[in-house]
Amino acid sequence: QKEVEQNSGPLSVPEGAIASLNCTYSDRGSQSFFWYRQYSGKSPELIMSIYSNGDKEDGRFTAQLNKASQYVSLLIRDSQPSDSATYLCAVNIEPGTALIFGKGTTLSVSS
Amino acid sequence: EAQVTQNPRYLITVTGKKLTVTCSQNMNHEYMSWYRQDPGLGLRQIYYSMNVEVTDKGDVPEGYKVSRKEKRNFPLILESPSPNQTSLYFCASSLSPDSGGGYTFGSGTRLTVV
Repeated sequence: QKEVEQNSGPLSVPEGAIASLNCTYSDRGSQSFFWYRQYSGKSPELIMSIYSNGDKEDGRFTAQLNKASQYVSLLIRDSQPSDSATYLCAVNIEPGTALIFGKGTTLSVSS
Repeated sequence: EAQVTQNPRYLITVTGKKLTVTCSQNMNHEYMSWYRQDPGLGLRQIYYSMNVEVTDKGDVPEGYKVSRKEKRNFPLILESPSPNQTSLYFCASSLSPDSGGGYTFGSGTRLTVV
């Protein structure tokens, strides 16, 4: 069974710290990787996508991918209380098939 | 504005009373999908559609029906709702299922079946 695993949290960090969110996936052939943010009671919104090994940076967010270890992570620098949300990792196993979502990690940033 | 519109946002109904949740997108997306989200279970795919008149089951299709008669619309039908279908439902669309642009989600429908 194709799986995407995330620690449910909560992950608590103080304002200004780096938050590190992790995700592992079961299928070595996975092609595309996404991070979504979901505020309580709201819909998921895409914040990062990554396709090749290494780091991808967008503002305060950095996605890291290691296909050999089947591991993808999201770093949030200078965390703000407004970053408090659930972060969903999503993986595309095969081209033309649907994304598989992890259950999400809840992040709490305290001021 | 590019968006996925779901209606209603909130719905309380009784067991067995047929209901439809509508979903419409204005981005000319080929791919549309329905998810339900439950605490501890995450997002689970109910049905998806690759194009008009093409639909297929996701991971949890039991008790649901869909149709795709027009590209922009993808309604979710519960013929005989039961309390275990109480959930938060999301419609999503994209250019393709593995689109690099990711999915655009609707605002969600919180359904309670009593």
